[in-house]
Amino acid sequence: GAVVSQHPSRVICKSGTSVKIECRSLDFQATTMFWYRQFPKKSLMLMATSNEGSKATYEQGVEKDKFLINHASLTLSTLTVTSAHPEDSSFYICSARDWGQDDYNSPLHFGNGTRLTVT
Amino acid sequence: AQSVTQLDSHVSVSEGTPVLLRCNYSSSYSPSLFWYVQHPNKGLQLLLKYTSAATLVKGINGFEAEFKKSETSFHLTKPSAHMSDAAEYFCVVSRTNAGKSTFGDGTTLTVKP
Repeated sequence: GAVVSQHPSRVICKSGTSVKIECRSLDFQATTMFWYRQFPKKSLMLMATSNEGSKATYEQGVEKDKFLINHASLTLSTLTVTSAHPEDSSFYICSARDWGQDDYNSPLHFGNGTRLTVT
Repeated sequence: AQSVTQLDSHVSVSEGTPVLLRCNYSSSYSPSLFWYVQHPNKGLQLLLKYTSAATLVKGINGFEAEFKKSETSFHLTKPSAHMSDAAEYFCVVSRTNAGKSTFGDGTTLTVKP
């Protein structure tokens, strides 16, 4: 089945530094990937839609200069949390649909998430 | 517009007893509906999906769900709970809309020995 690999699984960084999270589709191509943030005991909050070869589409209230998204190839999207602050600490998850089945009937394939802790 | 309501934030069952996780949806169009499971500190795993074929959908790990258009429901069931079923469950509705999906708030399933 389709596999999405997300790395790192855990990261601790100091306040003011930047952190990059990678999301790779291992056995399929994904023109579109999605980035979510999940607070404890809460559902997933869509942050942005990552589009291969073009700018990401951010949801309302998400700072695009804070959360930089790059989707340079059909198998890789990255999320960079810039100038991280403790309130950015959270669980970040990416997902993708199989390019060959890129319609609303095809399920999302999720990475295992990244636990970010900013000290 | 589309929305999803998971009617129970927490469900607790004893091992070996049936599981029922309730989901109601709202959609302007014929939806695709999904159930995902999330174990602690992990991503989401697809359990099953409904895409306008059979209304009774069978998924992995013994789970199934029935699409009822008249009730706008897509409840998840399992005849006999296992300890390993303890997790967070999300009901999701999708519609062609820049590929976005709408997530329910999740239901925490606890399985007691």
